[in-house]
Amino acid sequence: EAGVTQSPTHLIKTRGQHATLRCSPISGHTSVYWYQQALGLGLQFLLWYDEGEERNRGNFPPRFSGRQFPNYSSELNVNALELEDSALYLCASSLAVGEVDAAKNIQYFGAGTRLSVL
Amino acid sequence: KNEVEQSPQNLTAQEGEFITINCSYSVGISALHWLQQHPGGGIVSLFMLSSGKKKHGRLIATINIQEKHSSLHITASHPRDSAVYICAVHPYSGGGADGLTFGKGTHLIIQP
Repeated sequence: EAGVTQSPTHLIKTRGQHATLRCSPISGHTSVYWYQQALGLGLQFLLWYDEGEERNRGNFPPRFSGRQFPNYSSELNVNALELEDSALYLCASSLAVGEVDAAKNIQYFGAGTRLSVL
Repeated sequence: KNEVEQSPQNLTAQEGEFITINCSYSVGISALHWLQQHPGGGIVSLFMLSSGKKKHGRLIATINIQEKHSSLHITASHPRDSAVYICAVHPYSGGGADGLTFGKGTHLIIQP
């Protein structure tokens, strides 16, 4: 069974440009999470999508947005790129949220997209 | 103050040693993850705990909900265990779910 896949692996952009990152969850998973790991800041929660809807977002500006498609894959879009957006962006998926069976809430991570803004 | 604190931040040990990494958190949680991140960035979820203890091979994870504390143990450590180990919690938000809140990680180096 395929795990969480992210594309591209690496992305190089310049300030002011737009970046699109993609994530395909594990088959059957409906929840997708996006995280940012910037140098020196650790992992931070960005966005959570479930059943096509944005359910929650972390403390990030509106330049960071995304969507979830009917097949549960997801896109993260970053507009007006800034140098400090350079980071590893990780996507995770889970089977369900809030289920009594805690095993269904386990998040499985993709390998990440490394975004460099020059 | 971070909601999730890990210790130590850095740990260098010899092959075969017993390793313990600690995680303390200050918020109510529904579950706690231990994650492993190798150079290059890929993250593997090792355990998810909501109570008690779990074991997988040489790895053992424990959690004490009352004390808001979890430990990750590695027995008979090996150089391939060298990685960053990250503690992450699901804050209990009652009506829904937030993303994980992460500790800053413990950088473990196992020397041959």
